Amino acid sequence: EIVLTQSPATLSLSPGERATLSCRASQSVNNYLAWYQQKPGQAPRLLIYDASNRATGIPARFSGSGSGTDFTLTITSLEPEDFAVYYCQQRSSWPPEVTFGPGTKVDI
Amino acid sequence: QLQLLESGPRLVKPSETLSLTCTVSGGSISNNNYYWGWIRQPPGKGLEWIGSIFYSGSTYFNQSLKSRVTLSIDTSRNHFSLKLSSVTAADTAVYYCARRLSGSWNSWGQGTLVTVSS
Repeated sequence: EIVLTQSPATLSLSPGERATLSCRASQSVNNYLAWYQQKPGQAPRLLIYDASNRATGIPARFSGSGSGTDFTLTITSLEPEDFAVYYCQQRSSWPPEVTFGPGTKVDI
Repeated sequence: QLQLLESGPRLVKPSETLSLTCTVSGGSISNNNYYWGWIRQPPGKGLEWIGSIFYSGSTYFNQSLKSRVTLSIDTSRNHFSLKLSSVTAADTAVYYCARRLSGSWNSWGQGTLVTVSS
């Protein structure tokens, strides 16, 4: 099983600041790496797919980078609505499985 | 616009079987570009993938749950279903159904809280 580790667990920032979130995989995930945002009481929302592609409707302040085992989600200038929990997720071909990271909470 | 809606009992007794259905509207479940799946989230915790199913019926599962999980799909009704047997309190969670394109889940249901309790 591929294990995803996210750091930090909590990121305390202010609106307007830059957020850098890390996701590390226990083995290469071939860029099948996605990022989601989740707010309380809501379903997760896809932000980034295939490591660096923004999903439909996602603002340009969100960007993803990385390859192999190390990935980063960057929010260039935090808006009040960006304070949430962020999860990374991978999909592997063999064994065929999906795993999520434990999440990073971005709070004020 | 694609919508997914989970339905099923919200309270299940320990040792019984949890059953949920996800009804898809605004798109065909037979589209061969997508997998369909279930993801759960215990209260206050992270996301856990349960399993995925293709329109043809092919499936794959989280190995830790595989022995207890059954997935099925009904293309005529445009829905797919989850059964989780021998539930315990540890299975209490919000259960989401979702659609997967390539490596990521791009559409989600609103989620339904299922509580396991006698």
